[in-house]
Amino acid sequence: GIQVEQSPPDLILQEGANSTLRCNFSDSVNNLQWFHQNPWGQLINLFYIPSGTKQNGRLSATTVATERYSLLYISSSQTTDSGVYFCAVSFTGNQFYFGTGTSLTVIP
Amino acid sequence: DTAVSQTPKYLVTQMGNDKSIKCEQNLGHDTMYWYKQDSKKFLKIMFSYNNKELIINETVPNRFSPKSPDKAHLNLHINSLELGDSAVYFCASSHSGFYDGYTFGSGTRLTVV
Repeated sequence: GIQVEQSPPDLILQEGANSTLRCNFSDSVNNLQWFHQNPWGQLINLFYIPSGTKQNGRLSATTVATERYSLLYISSSQTTDSGVYFCAVSFTGNQFYFGTGTSLTVIP
Repeated sequence: DTAVSQTPKYLVTQMGNDKSIKCEQNLGHDTMYWYKQDSKKFLKIMFSYNNKELIINETVPNRFSPKSPDKAHLNLHINSLELGDSAVYFCASSHSGFYDGYTFGSGTRLTVV
């Protein structure tokens, strides 16, 4: 069956540290998106990145579709980065399958 | 000028009641979705509509009935609410070609007591 695995499941960082979150998927994807769910529950679109690399401020993402993984980099983390990070992929058709998320806590 | 708006944000109701959650998007998208997020934060699709037509209907109890009066609106009606229906329900929208991904609403936290 379809599998979308994220690692690590939990991460605690000191403010200012860098981190890498990983998303592995079981089949070729035609779409991939990273989301941040903040402590208030809102799902915020970070990157739409079916392939290649994108950067937005302190965040960047890379998807290597041929090797079935995507990475989200967070540099100089801030307490406002806390929350759950989800990877979502679409294989065929028109729905995203979500990973189980990485719960990030940034402590001051 | 919220892109995807859901109402209500919170809903507390008794078992056995019927309730509705409304969703509207002003992004010009033609596909809308309902997702359920359980207590472990797992997000699973329930329904998807494209131009008012149902295209995805996952294994969901038939007490849940979506309705799309037009491509900018997708409502979710739930009959005979049960304790296990307590969750956060998210509406989302996208272009059918997916070329810029999903946009989510802010969620509706449903608590059945």
